[in-house]
Amino acid sequence: EVQLVESGGVVVQPGGSLRLSCAASGFTFDDYTMHWVRQAPGKGLEWVSLISWDGGSTYYADSVKGRFTISRDNSKNSLYLQMNSLRTEDTALYYCARQLSDILTVLDYWGQGTLVTVSS
Amino acid sequence: EIVMTQSPATLSVSPGERATLSCRASQSVSSNLAWYQQKPGQAPRLLIYGASTRATGIPARFSGSGSGTEFTLTISSLQSEDFAVYYCQQYNNWPRFGPGTKVDIK
Repeated sequence: EVQLVESGGVVVQPGGSLRLSCAASGFTFDDYTMHWVRQAPGKGLEWVSLISWDGGSTYYADSVKGRFTISRDNSKNSLYLQMNSLRTEDTALYYCARQLSDILTVLDYWGQGTLVTVSS
Repeated sequence: EIVMTQSPATLSVSPGERATLSCRASQSVSSNLAWYQQKPGQAPRLLIYGASTRATGIPARFSGSGSGTEFTLTISSLQSEDFAVYYCQQYNNWPRFGPGTKVDIK
């Protein structure tokens, strides 16, 4: 059974930093591109970032470019999101998700999310 | 930047009735369109990709159609478990989601 379990969400002050983790199991992690998607409270879904199977390619939404860094450790079946210079508008539930296939940027499995609150 | 819109924002439907949800892209995304269902307190669930291909385990009452800029998700006979928010997502370039349509009980 595919499982994605996020962790690391806390309350942090504006300007602060945080690292989110996502532990994957039930599939061959290094076969898949992985994503982070966020959802502000009561709002819709916003794609944040993706990383290729080998970590060689990464892409970011304009709203987080230069502040967030996605990475992965295939030996640990883990995905990460380093979040710096946090803003109140970064407050959201952060999901990690698996991409269905190499050529289809469709997300077929999602974790339950970890909540990041940016507040003074 | 491709902008996705969805209509209506809220759709009130009685159980057993048909629901038709619309999604529009600001420019052509070919058939690179997916639909997700999200229930309160849960993660999104992939329903449809390639505009019309059901994901694994999705019941046949869910169907998708369209191409280019206009897309439709149809739920042929609403079950109690189908009341949720539905998002479309284009993947012609970077993933971008629509604002969602909430399907609630009439």
